[in-house]
Amino acid sequence: KAGVTQTPRYLIKTRGQQVTLSCSPISGHRSVSWYQQTPGQGLQFLFEYFSETQRNKGNFPGRFSGRQFSNSRSEMNVSTLELGDSALYLCASSWDVETQYFGPGTRLLVL
Amino acid sequence: GQNIDQPTEMTATEGAIVQINCTYQTSGFNGLFWYQQHAGEAPTFLSYNVLDGLEEKGRFSSFLSRSKGYSYLLLKELQMKDSASYLCAVRASGTYKYIFGTGTRLKVLA
Repeated sequence: KAGVTQTPRYLIKTRGQQVTLSCSPISGHRSVSWYQQTPGQGLQFLFEYFSETQRNKGNFPGRFSGRQFSNSRSEMNVSTLELGDSALYLCASSWDVETQYFGPGTRLLVL
Repeated sequence: GQNIDQPTEMTATEGAIVQINCTYQTSGFNGLFWYQQHAGEAPTFLSYNVLDGLEEKGRFSSFLSRSKGYSYLLLKELQMKDSASYLCAVRASGTYKYIFGTGTRLKVLA
């Protein structure tokens, strides 16, 4: 089975811009979670989608949003980028509430 | 509140045994996970404990005590490739949200 894929792998943006990241889960997995990883904070949970519905949400501002499509693929959007949004964004998929499997991540640099 | 504590860094010698501890305080519990993350790569799943006791998987074992809010990951016969960060994560009951610790960076020396 193919693993979780994320695109793009690297991204450079400037402050104020917006960005959309994409995640394709493992075939058959219905849950997709998004995390932000920074050196000081570790993995911070953004949100989780299950069958096209947001099931859980972390403590991030409304600039961070996401959605899930009927094929379980998910996108994450960050609007009005800030320098502090520079991070590795990881997506993880699972069938439901079982073990999560992570994608390679998208490294975002905001200048 | 919800909190997971792990040591920030550990150093061990090739061939040795190392134990990485994790203590947690979460609202509800529905499993504890250990992940390995090499620098610049995604976390990969190592182990899962939901009941008290020891789970063994080759050179890696994980232990859980729910009453003490405590887990450890035991790595035996350390190899250079085991140099990585080890993340402890708890899945909350009800919401099934995952809470991650900040990770323990393990350096294996020759």
